[in-house]
Amino acid sequence: ETGVTQSPTHLIKTRGQQVTLRCSSQSGHNTVSWYQQALGQGPQFIFQYYREEENGRGNFPPRFSGLQFPNYSSELNVNALELDDSALYLCASSLRSVSSPLHFGNGTRLTVT
Amino acid sequence: TQLLEQSPQFLSIQEGENLTVYCNSSSVFSSLQWYRQEPGEGPVLLVTVVTGGEVKKLKRLTFQFGDARKDSSLHITAAQTGDTGLYLCAGEKAGGSNYKLTFGKGTLLTVNP
Repeated sequence: ETGVTQSPTHLIKTRGQQVTLRCSSQSGHNTVSWYQQALGQGPQFIFQYYREEENGRGNFPPRFSGLQFPNYSSELNVNALELDDSALYLCASSLRSVSSPLHFGNGTRLTVT
Repeated sequence: TQLLEQSPQFLSIQEGENLTVYCNSSSVFSSLQWYRQEPGEGPVLLVTVVTGGEVKKLKRLTFQFGDARKDSSLHITAAQTGDTGLYLCAGEKAGGSNYKLTFGKGTLLTVNP
């Protein structure tokens, strides 16, 4: 069984640039969620994808967007990067059912300078 | 607005001691999950509690869900250095899907040899 994998592990970008983060879900899982974890904070929900469509969104601006592909892998895109976007971005896969546990990847550490 | 308050924020103890960490909210949750996160890694699910008053044990860890499903506690007996990590509680709102977990800020536990 392959777990959730994220790439890249670390990334440094300049304010105003755009970034794409990638996630491969655990085999058998059809739902992918993205979370932002700032330093010293708990993860904050960005959005979730199911069947290639956005299935719920947290309090993040439209410059945060995503995609899910037929193989259930996913991308998180952030445009017009701001300094406050510096954080650990976590991807989690799960089955689409109530109380289904989330299986997290190890995240992408994004630094915006 | 932080819906889940975790306390204490930091805890440093000696190996062999017992400890309890708390997760409190004014909101009712259909379920509550506890995760442990180690540096450089994503959170790993420890347990899910669903029923008010439920108690679950995982070796030396005991989890309890409050009767009103608004709070939870995690008790560790005879802590070991391997228990060191960030403990996160996450609640799923009643009537929702699993698409949005609300996380607390976490309790950073250090167990010293």
